[in-house]
Amino acid sequence: EAGVAQSPRYKIIEKRQSVAFWCNPISGHATLYWYQQILGQGPKLLIQFQNNGVVDDSQLPKDRFSAERLKGVDSTLKIQPAKLEDSAVYLCASSLDGGYTIYFGEGSWLTVV
Amino acid sequence: AQSVTQLGSHVSVSEGALVLLRCNYSSSVPPYLFWYVQYPNQGLQLLLKYTTGATLVKGINGFEAEFKKSETSFHLTKPSAHMSDAAEYFCAVSGGLEKSSGDKLTFGTGTRLAVRP
Repeated sequence: EAGVAQSPRYKIIEKRQSVAFWCNPISGHATLYWYQQILGQGPKLLIQFQNNGVVDDSQLPKDRFSAERLKGVDSTLKIQPAKLEDSAVYLCASSLDGGYTIYFGEGSWLTVV
Repeated sequence: AQSVTQLGSHVSVSEGALVLLRCNYSSSVPPYLFWYVQYPNQGLQLLLKYTTGATLVKGINGFEAEFKKSETSFHLTKPSAHMSDAAEYFCAVSGGLEKSSGDKLTFGTGTRLAVRP
């Protein structure tokens, strides 16, 4: 079974530029998450989707971050404009509805210079 | 709301020695508890989880953890460390059956395990 796919794996951009990350969850998984992991910290939930609806985006900085999950499958996380403090690993994860086992992708590593 | 505290950001053990990584949680509802491992430049891999039932949970790679409600703890252990166990370990909690908390994971800050030859 294929795991959670993310791209790109690595991205370096200048501050004030924009960047987008893509995620393809495990087939059949209704719930999709985006987590931000800053170096030396644990992952922090940015947004949670159930199918194509948002369940929780309380910690998403909506002035610069946006995410969508059209058709309830793939998802895109966008940052515009980026700040230095956005340098982090962006982890996508998915789970079956109510499965309580969350599977993570390998992450997209963002460096803002 | 839930939170997780991992005591010790860095733990170093000798190869063959006991591994003990500490995790305490706070939750207003019966929690589901998880341990994840992260190897360099990789994502998170589930080691084990506690939902209900037996409080001693066995996971992959010889790790196990015991849920102790009275101590609000979920410490991770392994009897004999291998060099390949060197990684970062994260304890996480979710709200279990509590719908308002759902299956969102709240992570601790992680413990980096080093294994000495």
